[in-house]
Amino acid sequence: AQKITQTQPGMFVQEKEAVTLDCTYDTSDPSYGLFWYKQPSSGEMIFLIYQGSYDQQNATEGRYSLNFQKARKSANLVISASQLGDSAMYFCAMRSGGGFKTIFGAGTRLFVKA
Amino acid sequence: DSGVTQTPKHLITATGQRVTLRCSPRSGDLSVYWYQQSLDQGLQFLIQYYNGEERAKGNILERFSAQQFPDLHSELNLSSLELGDSALYFCASTPGRRDNEQFFGPGTRLTVL
Repeated sequence: AQKITQTQPGMFVQEKEAVTLDCTYDTSDPSYGLFWYKQPSSGEMIFLIYQGSYDQQNATEGRYSLNFQKARKSANLVISASQLGDSAMYFCAMRSGGGFKTIFGAGTRLFVKA
Repeated sequence: DSGVTQTPKHLITATGQRVTLRCSPRSGDLSVYWYQQSLDQGLQFLIQYYNGEERAKGNILERFSAQQFPDLHSELNLSSLELGDSALYFCASTPGRRDNEQFFGPGTRLTVL
């Protein structure tokens, strides 16, 4: 069965510090993709970063990087130099095999303190 | 602004009723995805259309149906509404069938009383 687990319901981080949001996944497909999305309080969903299972290097997009550990089936999101605007809900998601369905984790709410 | 539009923004209706949610994808995008976000179920993929054809089905109830029209806009029809259908319904679009970055609309908040 395919599953995404985010074990941190809420996280606090001081402004300008780095923070890691945890995500573990389970799939038997050798080919899959992992995603992170941000949902601010305004409600829209914003794509942040993507990692393919065959990608050799960890994905990075500006202040976002994905710490991909295939053997441990983890795909943690690292946000460097946190900003107040980073306060939001963050969702980890997976699309596996040749399918088109995406499954989402329960989300982690990040609070950035000034 | 992602370029994806959804109407209406809010919808309040009663149990047993039927509603239609509309989505216009970004200009040039051929794929449309529908998602439901509720407090108890979280974020769930419902269905995907690519250039008018259904491509993938997720946890979509039989009371729900969708279609994508020749102009590429999509509609999600929800019928025999129940209290548990109250949720935020998102539409997203991508240029192709399986792109990594999906562009989400602002969502339609449905409240069933």
